[in-house]
Amino acid sequence: GAVVSQHPSRVICKSGTSVKIECRSLDFQATTMFWYRQFPKQSLMLMATSNEGSKATYEQGVEKDKFLINHASLTLSTLTVTSAHPEDSSFYICSARYRASRYGYTFGSGTRLTVV
Amino acid sequence: AQSVTQLGSHVSVSEGALVLLRCNYSSSVPPYLFWYVQYPNQGLQLLLKYTTGATLVKGINGFEAEFKKSETSFHLTKPSAHMSDAAEYFCAVSATGATNKLIFGTGTLLAVQP
Repeated sequence: GAVVSQHPSRVICKSGTSVKIECRSLDFQATTMFWYRQFPKQSLMLMATSNEGSKATYEQGVEKDKFLINHASLTLSTLTVTSAHPEDSSFYICSARYRASRYGYTFGSGTRLTVV
Repeated sequence: AQSVTQLGSHVSVSEGALVLLRCNYSSSVPPYLFWYVQYPNQGLQLLLKYTTGATLVKGINGFEAEFKKSETSFHLTKPSAHMSDAAEYFCAVSATGATNKLIFGTGTLLAVQP
């Protein structure tokens, strides 16, 4: 079945540094990738949507210069949190939609980011 | 615009009892509805989805949900709870438009008591 590999699963970084999170679709072509953020005991909030080869579309209130999304190929999308601050600490999850099924979404296992 | 409301942020049942997790949606167009389960520090796993056709949808792990247009509901049920069902459950609706992004409810934490 469709699998999305997300790395790293956990990362701790210092304030002011940047962190890159990768999501790879292992056995299908992810035409669209969604990036979510989840605070403790809360729901998933969509941050941005990216289509392969084009710029990401950010949700209202999400800083595009802070959360850089790249979707350079059909199997790889990255989220870079630039100049991270403690308030960026959260659980980040990617979701890929695969070409074969218009309503098929596969989620990565998530990345726990802690900024100290 | 679409939205999802999950009634009850916490639900507790006894092992072997019926599980009922409520989800109501709002959509100006025919919705596509999903239920996902999330275990701690993990991503989301699809339980079931409704797109078109039969309104009673069967999913994995014995779960099912019924799409009721008149009630704008898509409640999740399981006849007999198992300890391994303890997790967070999210109802979601897909938005219209080219991106078809998912809009999630606030989630329901299911506890299963022995």
